[in-house]
Amino acid sequence: GAVVSQHPSRVICKSGTSVKIECRSLDFQATTMFWYRQFPKKSLMLMATSNEGSKATYEQGVEKDKFLINHASLTLSTLTVTSAHPEDSSFYICSAKPTTGGGDTEAFFGQGTRLTVV
Amino acid sequence: GQNIDQPTEMTATEGAIVQINCTYQTSGFNGLFWYQQHAGEAPTFLSYNVLDGLEEKGRFSSFLSRSKGYSYLLLKELQMKDSASYLCAGMDSNYQLIWGAGTKLIIKP
Repeated sequence: GAVVSQHPSRVICKSGTSVKIECRSLDFQATTMFWYRQFPKKSLMLMATSNEGSKATYEQGVEKDKFLINHASLTLSTLTVTSAHPEDSSFYICSAKPTTGGGDTEAFFGQGTRLTVV
Repeated sequence: GQNIDQPTEMTATEGAIVQINCTYQTSGFNGLFWYQQHAGEAPTFLSYNVLDGLEEKGRFSSFLSRSKGYSYLLLKELQMKDSASYLCAGMDSNYQLIWGAGTKLIIKP
């Protein structure tokens, strides 16, 4: 099956610094990638939809300047958490939707990144 | 290794009940999630179980047995709009989500 690699799996950073999370589709091309955030024991929250070669579409309430998304190629999207604060500590998950297959193609998920801001 | 197993596809009739099973093997355990995903859309959260037993939410219920590494999602009074993929995901000791491949549920009139 299709593989999505997310890196790093865990990261601890100091408050005020920036952290970059990578999402790669390893054996397929993905025009569209999704970024989610999940708080412990709560639902998965869609943060933004990333489209290759264009600006990401952010969900209501998600700060664009805080969570920078770059989808520069058909196999890579990055999420940068800028000036991180302890409240940004969370579990971030990406998913990638294969370019081929039409509108009903399902997306494949990365392993997730556990971000802890101290 | 870590693994999540669930059936690839199931078919049920409108108005009936269907149970989607999931077995899991994770390094440590921090809960079991069920998500629903309609074709072309982002997945939506259905349930989270971390203790043994059945949790009911309207037409959907989820069950967990930690000793057996087993969970199921029960859907009652099936409606055509329930046709979707249902994803089972286990969270390990590092809070990593281990995803199943999903069960495509087909509802027939």
